[in-house]
Amino acid sequence: EVQLVQSGAEVKKPGESLKISCKGSGYSFTSYWIGWVRQMPGKGLEWMGIIYPGDSDTRYSPSFQGQVTISADKSISTAYLQWSSLKASDTAMYYCVRRVDTAMVTGAFDIWGQGTMVTVSS
Amino acid sequence: DIQMTQSPSSLSASVGDRVTITCRASQSISSYLNWYQQKPGKAPKLLIYAASSLQSGVPSRFSGSGSGTDFTLTISSLQPEDFATYYCQQSYSTPRSVFGGGTKVEIK
Repeated sequence: EVQLVQSGAEVKKPGESLKISCKGSGYSFTSYWIGWVRQMPGKGLEWMGIIYPGDSDTRYSPSFQGQVTISADKSISTAYLQWSSLKASDTAMYYCVRRVDTAMVTGAFDIWGQGTMVTVSS
Repeated sequence: DIQMTQSPSSLSASVGDRVTITCRASQSISSYLNWYQQKPGKAPKLLIYAASSLQSGVPSRFSGSGSGTDFTLTISSLQPEDFATYYCQQSYSTPRSVFGGGTKVEIK
């Protein structure tokens, strides 16, 4: 079964650092882009950025450039999203997604992780 | 960046109704448009890709159309399990992407 399994919920204080993970299985992890999507409480989906684990090519949304770091360890089929200094406004659900690119399907997110809830509060 | 505008932001409909949701791109994106359904407390699910192709396992009452800047998601006969929020996503500016603001479909 193709799936993305994310790390568990986190509760952190402002200023703390955090790294959440997304482990892919059931497919060739290095052959698909893995993206991250933020959903703030009661709000819509926001595309944050994406990485190609095969060569670590990474792109960010202008809104998130410099605010987070996306990385991947292809040896363990895991992508990461990290913050160096969290803010209360980072409180949100974060989803990792697999992007599919074929002749027929270009750029759709066909597999979603279950989400990681990050709560930042003093 | 290409912006995606969905309308309406919410709608009320009854079981059996035909429902249409619109997504407009700020510039032409050809057919690089995908649709997702999200139910409360769940991760989104891919419904339609490449503007009009039905993802495997998705009921045929869902359909998509459009190209260029204007796109439509149609539910031909709304079912109880279809009450959810729907998002469009452009994948033209690969590998970057943008979502629309969402349309919440509620029970009338």
